[in-house]
Amino acid sequence: AQSVTQLGSHVSVSEGALVLLRCNYSSSVPPYLFWYVQYPNQGLQLLLKYTTGATLVKGINGFEAEFKKSETSFHLTKPSAHMSDAAEYFCAVSDDFGNEKLTFGTGTRLTIIP
Amino acid sequence: NAGVTQTPKFQVLKTGQSMTLQCAQDMNHEYMSWYRQDPGMGLRLIHYSVGAGITDQGEVPNGYNVSRSTTEDFPLRLLSAAPSQTSVYFCASSDFQGALDEQYFGPGTRLTVT
Repeated sequence: AQSVTQLGSHVSVSEGALVLLRCNYSSSVPPYLFWYVQYPNQGLQLLLKYTTGATLVKGINGFEAEFKKSETSFHLTKPSAHMSDAAEYFCAVSDDFGNEKLTFGTGTRLTIIP
Repeated sequence: NAGVTQTPKFQVLKTGQSMTLQCAQDMNHEYMSWYRQDPGMGLRLIHYSVGAGITDQGEVPNGYNVSRSTTEDFPLRLLSAAPSQTSVYFCASSDFQGALDEQYFGPGTRLTVT
């Protein structure tokens, strides 16, 4: 069965510093991987996704993530944090290939320090 | 386009009461789903639908019913509310690849069961 582990339920970074949010997955088949962001009192919004092909995926708002099969990881990064990046971030992995369900991680709340 | 709309935004129920959470989308999406979000647990799939007349169970379906009579609407029914169903509920929709496509989330319904 697929699963997702997000290391660190809370991460704080200074404005302008590197953002690194960690996600490791477990899947018995080639996975589809996603990062979603949730701003306060809102629903989730897709940041980026990996399906096949290039392992470095670029998303919205300057975020990117790299699929590393050997490490079963899909960490989210942004070179320079902005105050508007404060939100909760969820990593998700697809169910068995062809199935239309996702398993979400428990989320990482990102705080930006002025 | 209004996107995905959910009503009500807030609801308080007494144990044993029933109610329906409404969800509608105007994007002509085939795939719709219901999630619940609880602190420290991320999002968990309750039920989903791949088209009108077709529904299936997710990870935590007990205590909830759904139906999909039209493409636009996907209501979630709580049959007999329990305190364990206190949560934030999100409806989402996506195009033909289901959860593997970008899911568009509604703003959520915050439900408290006393």
